[in-house]
Amino acid sequence: GENVEQHPSTLSVQEGDSAVIKCTYSDSASNYFPWYKQELGKGPQLIIDIRSNVGEKKDQRIAVTLNKTAKHFSLHITETQPEDSAVYFCAASWLTNAGKSTFGDGTTLTVKP
Amino acid sequence: GAVVSQHPSRVICKSGTSVKIECRSLDFQATTMFWYRQFPKQSLMLMATSNEGSKATYEQGVEKDKFLINHASLTLSTLTVTSAHPEDSSFYICSASPAGPGANVLTFGAGSRLTVL
Repeated sequence: GENVEQHPSTLSVQEGDSAVIKCTYSDSASNYFPWYKQELGKGPQLIIDIRSNVGEKKDQRIAVTLNKTAKHFSLHITETQPEDSAVYFCAASWLTNAGKSTFGDGTTLTVKP
Repeated sequence: GAVVSQHPSRVICKSGTSVKIECRSLDFQATTMFWYRQFPKQSLMLMATSNEGSKATYEQGVEKDKFLINHASLTLSTLTVTSAHPEDSSFYICSASPAGPGANVLTFGAGSRLTVL
């Protein structure tokens, strides 16, 4: 089955700096890679996703890159703000069955004001 | 956007009792919903796939008689933790996606924290 590894487990940055979270996956058949933000005591929220036919996707301060050959994808947050502090999860799945996603272990991001 | 409502958000029960958690898709129909369990500072673990009008599909190692899932309509799935014990204490989260375009996009509920005394 699919195995997703996520690094780092914790990340602390100063407000305004950039944050990068990296994930690798094992199943070359995976073609959908969402990123979720989970605030304390809440469910995850989709913040950005990328399909395997795209190498990069950007949405304002958030971007995701995908290297299919190396089977890794990364989340980039620029100009971080304190409200970006949360746990971030990457996931890998088939586009037609996103519910069966395999999740990374999460990265706790702390943005210091 | 798509909204999934989960209720209750917190529940405390005595050991041996059963607890029901509801997951509703408010503005779309979901033929499939998913139930997860999350331990503190850990990732989401898929427990089962809830299928409208049919039996749920459980992941390996999840006791189907312990965690009863019912998906009676296109907007409601329920998870019942039967004869709960302290080790069942956890954060339970559901998710759903609409049929057709956007089916790959999961919307999660806010989660239900179960504490079994």
